[in-house]
Amino acid sequence: QQPVQSPQAVILREGEDAVINCSSSKALYSVHWYRQKHGEAPVFLMILLKGGEQKGHDKISASFNEKKQQSSLYLTASQLSYSGTYFCGTETSDSNYQLIWGAGTKLIIKP
Amino acid sequence: EAQVTQNPRYLITVTGKKLTVTCSQNMNHEYMSWYRQDPGLGLRQIYYSMNVEVTDKGDVPEGYKVSRKEKRNFPLILESPSPNQTSLYFCASTRLGAGGYTFGSGTRLTVV
Repeated sequence: QQPVQSPQAVILREGEDAVINCSSSKALYSVHWYRQKHGEAPVFLMILLKGGEQKGHDKISASFNEKKQQSSLYLTASQLSYSGTYFCGTETSDSNYQLIWGAGTKLIIKP
Repeated sequence: EAQVTQNPRYLITVTGKKLTVTCSQNMNHEYMSWYRQDPGLGLRQIYYSMNVEVTDKGDVPEGYKVSRKEKRNFPLILESPSPNQTSLYFCASTRLGAGGYTFGSGTRLTVV
């Protein structure tokens, strides 16, 4: 079942923070996060494995709460280059490496 | 440079005319997959392959075929394309259990 991403869209001013959530109805083994700019391919940001470890990538970080079966992506002091659509991909212990993708969160950063 | 190469980038074809979209990766990845992306529907998996000569259906396999005769190549075949297969297609690969997916640049297919 497709994970639910929220919000569907968000508009920020440059320098503001954003949080994107990804919730699953199934127990998760891992969560992937990707960013896709219009007309381009999705680009891998980070993967979070079962264990709750928070990962970071410049000013973009993420957490994984196994019990709540959800992950959150944090973008701090957003830059214009952060604009795009963010997708989470979830893997369950019985999914045989297959990712189930969320519908995406569109992030617009204004100067 | 590590990459997934898809060709062509754009393709306009007519209903029923067989076509192949090629995908090649130079990272020695075992796993390769095809997705289609339609507005509001996110990424939907068409077929995937865990290794050479091993392929499996994804969520939306109808009307598509694939083959994996070599580790690096994973072509997508539309034997008789129809207008509902008009979409943006992505090929992706990864090393099993080792990290994120690398996507190709995409193929925008229009079937008229």
